[in-house]
Amino acid sequence: AQSVTQLDSHVSVSEGTPVLLRCNYSSSYSPSLFWYVQHPNKGLQLLLKYTSAATLVKGINGFEAEFKKSETSFHLTKPSAHMSDAAEYFCVVIVSSNDYKLSFGAGTTVTVRA
Amino acid sequence: NAGVTQTPKFRILKIGQSMTLQCAQDMNHNYMYWYRQDPGMGLKLIYYSVGAGITDKGEVPNGYNVSRSTTEDFPLRLELAAPSQTSVYFCATSPIETGRVDGYTFGSGTRLTVV
Repeated sequence: AQSVTQLDSHVSVSEGTPVLLRCNYSSSYSPSLFWYVQHPNKGLQLLLKYTSAATLVKGINGFEAEFKKSETSFHLTKPSAHMSDAAEYFCVVIVSSNDYKLSFGAGTTVTVRA
Repeated sequence: NAGVTQTPKFRILKIGQSMTLQCAQDMNHNYMYWYRQDPGMGLKLIYYSVGAGITDKGEVPNGYNVSRSTTEDFPLRLELAAPSQTSVYFCATSPIETGRVDGYTFGSGTRLTVV
């Protein structure tokens, strides 16, 4: 069963406009949720994390995400896109209460137009 | 601190050849993982280890082997390379105490092409 679904495989925005990356998850217990970013030919960097504290989570580079349990969603947003935000973004969840194995979404590629 | 170091960064293999992807960490993390990344598929877990001497299969273990003789090192072995193993491989680590809240630390990846 798919644990994480990223609803958009590709998002294109103009510089200075908002960015929305959508993520839905399935979990039978309270999950830990993460967003990672991968710039071209680079490794993965943690953007932000949700671990049952505040439902609105702020991360690096102006990104934030809101955990909505009723909608099983964890969408990532940024009010104003910058050229350096062009990258691939992964929504990631720990679904098991017994281990720390991460389940990755398929990724969303963000392009930013000048 | 070096964090998680993967070698080599790039490699081209011929079908049937074997190789070992190296992963070393200096953070004293107990948990280590190997993932492969294919376009449009996210990352899939190959093998993981919860400590020295303990390894277990992930989602896609076929064609791979691992060992964990020390806390620091977690090599991934390909015995008979196949074109389906062309991918980018990431090693990652997490500590027992905070892995659930802090996520993983990833290496920079090994890009492998099998021809």
